[in-house]
Amino acid sequence: DSGVTQTPKHLITATGQRVTLRCSPRSGDLSVYWYQQSLDQGLQFLIQYYNGEERAKGNILERFSAQQFPDLHSELNLSSLELGDSALYFCASSVRGGGEEKLFFGSGTQLSVL
Amino acid sequence: DQQVKQNSPSLSVQEGRISILNCDYTNSMFDYFLWYKKYPAEGPTFLISISSIKDKNEDGRFTVFLNKSAKHLSLHIVPSQPGDSAVYFCAASDGSARQLTFGSGTQLTVLP
Repeated sequence: DSGVTQTPKHLITATGQRVTLRCSPRSGDLSVYWYQQSLDQGLQFLIQYYNGEERAKGNILERFSAQQFPDLHSELNLSSLELGDSALYFCASSVRGGGEEKLFFGSGTQLSVL
Repeated sequence: DQQVKQNSPSLSVQEGRISILNCDYTNSMFDYFLWYKKYPAEGPTFLISISSIKDKNEDGRFTVFLNKSAKHLSLHIVPSQPGDSAVYFCAASDGSARQLTFGSGTQLTVLP
């Protein structure tokens, strides 16, 4: 158990809809990352937060947004969903958010857009 | 453009033998490299890392080698065990980047 909790584990929805994925980091970790893994793809970095502030942005679509709350949990909002958004979404956390830190990953949310 | 490439999607090895997983990168600014292992229905877990000031790092059965001139790193597992069967991701970061860049992964199957 990594200590990172992601909910829900599975999500099935329709095109055009909006969903929210939730992540609770390990106790004591200030930084949260979101990654997307599509079929046969590596982990694509979406966005990073550190202590409530956005710190780095990757290949995140404008239809997607995220935030980190004062209690350090994070939510990833996906709107106007398309078939291609179907993927495994991982949240990870680390203590300080430095590039040399190892990340602790949750078990992911499998999103299926039908 | 993939900055971190794992060109072998899969690898099968006999139990007890050596497993060698390879990774190439293109960004010369990368200075820290990590390997993660992923079992089905679980998130990736950290395995081993190496800084660019080293060319080798060992942790038990796992050794990572870094060849900076070739922009290549490899993970050696000796001896391989059936429990090592998983997807292995190579990842890299530069000193200022806040995020890791991952490869597409290699599925390792260790046959009993």
